[in-house]
Amino acid sequence: ETGVTQTPRHLVMGMTNKKSLKCEQHLGHNAMYWYKQSAKKPLELMFVYSLEERVENNSVPSRFSPECPNSSHLFLHLHTLQPEDSALYLCASSRLAEYNEQFFGPGTRLTVL
Amino acid sequence: GDSVTQMEGPVTLSEEACLTINCTYTATGYPSLFWYVQYPGEGLQLLLKATKADDKGSNKGFEATYRKETTSFHLEKGSVQVSDSAVYFCALFNTGNQFYFGTGTSLTVIP
Repeated sequence: ETGVTQTPRHLVMGMTNKKSLKCEQHLGHNAMYWYKQSAKKPLELMFVYSLEERVENNSVPSRFSPECPNSSHLFLHLHTLQPEDSALYLCASSRLAEYNEQFFGPGTRLTVL
Repeated sequence: GDSVTQMEGPVTLSEEACLTINCTYTATGYPSLFWYVQYPGEGLQLLLKATKADDKGSNKGFEATYRKETTSFHLEKGSVQVSDSAVYFCALFNTGNQFYFGTGTSLTVIP
């Protein structure tokens, strides 16, 4: 596998479920990001990890919990979500010195019922 | 704060037509400007970028010029193809180490 991969590609969950999104990058990068893409809204940066430490948390509700166990993997743990959380969740990665050269995964399409 | 405004879509063009997607920005300092493209079922891919005023970014027949006087970075292509059908995002990257994306413009090219 090359580039940035995300699993699952599609997820349907109820409001009481707990699920996790997974992102993996095979580019040797050391910064990783979670974005939320909703229809007709700009991409929203949710979290940034640099060298496995969270450096950015843009006022994201606590029902979203990120985890970065190593520089190649990033998770987004989901718990008691709301229907308005339905969106495409994109993962990206970059070299630390090149924040603006981000490579994106294909995204996970999340539907909350 | 920093922001990007791009023209609303969707845009539908016939093959070989000219394309312009407008993008204007608001930013302090000297941001870098980008166009990303998202093909169906895929993530965003960098299409082109410009890092300073009057720079022209180009790739795959697309061009955009960084115009500081009009705070614009319009995307243009002289002859679109069916394979150009995608969603296009204008974005800026500034000193806060954060991207600011536009809402995206959907382009459909019909044969």
